[in-house]
Amino acid sequence: NAGVTQTPKFQVLKTGQSMTLQCAQDMNHEYMSWYRQDPGMGLRLIHYSVGAGITDQGEVPNGYNVSRSTTEDFPLRLLSAAPSQTSVYFCASRLTGGGNNEQFFGPGTRLTVL
Amino acid sequence: GQSLEQPSEVTAVEGAIVQINCTYQTSGFYGLSWYQQHDGGAPTFLSYNALDGLEETGRFSSFLSRSDSYGYLLLQELQMKDSASYFCAVKGSGQGGKLIFGQGTELSVKP
Repeated sequence: NAGVTQTPKFQVLKTGQSMTLQCAQDMNHEYMSWYRQDPGMGLRLIHYSVGAGITDQGEVPNGYNVSRSTTEDFPLRLLSAAPSQTSVYFCASRLTGGGNNEQFFGPGTRLTVL
Repeated sequence: GQSLEQPSEVTAVEGAIVQINCTYQTSGFYGLSWYQQHDGGAPTFLSYNALDGLEETGRFSSFLSRSDSYGYLLLQELQMKDSASYFCAVKGSGQGGKLIFGQGTELSVKP
């Protein structure tokens, strides 16, 4: 299993540009989520999904859109990038029922908005 | 909503024991987890407590008191490689409950 994969690893955007951060998992996990991490701010939840066709907002959803058309993929879209969105973005997935609720993270996308 | 508090930094020496505390406020609680992150890499799962008490996994233990909305991560026999950031996280209600993280504790292990 590849686990959780994210592309690209690094990205530089200009203010106002749009882009999509890709996330995929091959563990058949129902639950997927996106976090951003800024210095001293920990991991803040942007959006999450409990299954294909179902998404919901997290703590900091403004400026981001998501969709979940398949179990495997959960892309994050920035419609009009702003310097405040400079951050490291992590995608994560886990099972929704039972167990230890272990969440698996991708390697991250380091985004700079100029 | 949900919020968590943990110390921002902890320093300890190799071979010692260190405890990282976490207090939380949440409208629905379905467990407290701990994650480790090295140098900005992907966070990795350490432990999960759904019920009160101590869970032990090798050198790491995690404790939960639901009545006090409090938990801690205990690291024994510290090694240099334990220098990392440690995050507590609470899971909200329901099977699809979202996982909310604290701001993290940076642990520095000195020789």
